Amino acid sequence: QQQVKQSPQSLIVQKGGISIINCAYENTAFDYFPWYQQFPGKGPALLIAIRPDVSEKKEGRFTISFNKSAKQFSLHIMDSQPGDSATYFCAPLGSNYQLIWGAGTKLIIKP
Amino acid sequence: DTEVTQTPKHLVMGMTNKKSLKCEQHMGHRAMYWYKQKAKKPPELMFVYSYEKLSINESVPSRFSPECPNSSLLNLHLHALQPEDSALYLCASSHEPTGTNEKLFFGSGTQLSVL
Repeated sequence: QQQVKQSPQSLIVQKGGISIINCAYENTAFDYFPWYQQFPGKGPALLIAIRPDVSEKKEGRFTISFNKSAKQFSLHIMDSQPGDSATYFCAPLGSNYQLIWGAGTKLIIKP
Repeated sequence: DTEVTQTPKHLVMGMTNKKSLKCEQHMGHRAMYWYKQKAKKPPELMFVYSYEKLSINESVPSRFSPECPNSSLLNLHLHALQPEDSALYLCASSHEPTGTNEKLFFGSGTQLSVL
């Protein structure tokens, strides 16, 4: 199956706090796990991605944690800033080499 | 140049009109995509062009007609649309269609309203 479940649907975090967004998948054939960030009026942009041979990848304030046995991966945003307010999508690469999009998480960082 | 450029940014059309959306990239990417995105929803794949040939059509109604005149350009021709077709239409490109480079570069989209 190609199902992807993303949570939470929305998230409010204080400035400086940690934002955590989760994604669960069913298809063990997925082998590329990206997170896309979308601002209002713009197209999505790749934020960070991981392959299943590592359990964690960090780029600046953004970290992906990957749990292969649980079939879950999560996005952590450290020291969250108002400029991080956006919608985030997990979108693992499916068996037809096309992205399977989660439902999205609207993140609001309160100053 | 790492941009995907889409025109127009906004489009309002009647159900009997014919219009076209345009997309351009100069990154040498060999795959180009059309996505449709409704408000508060994820993008939905419509079409994929690989090396200027249509490789995926996600059962899109024939009132949407894609065209890839060359490796840098992608068009979406619209005819006899319905109000429920109102959405943000996103164009994207990637270096290769499958496997080797999965990163998609998206344009800012065309916000389409069908009256």
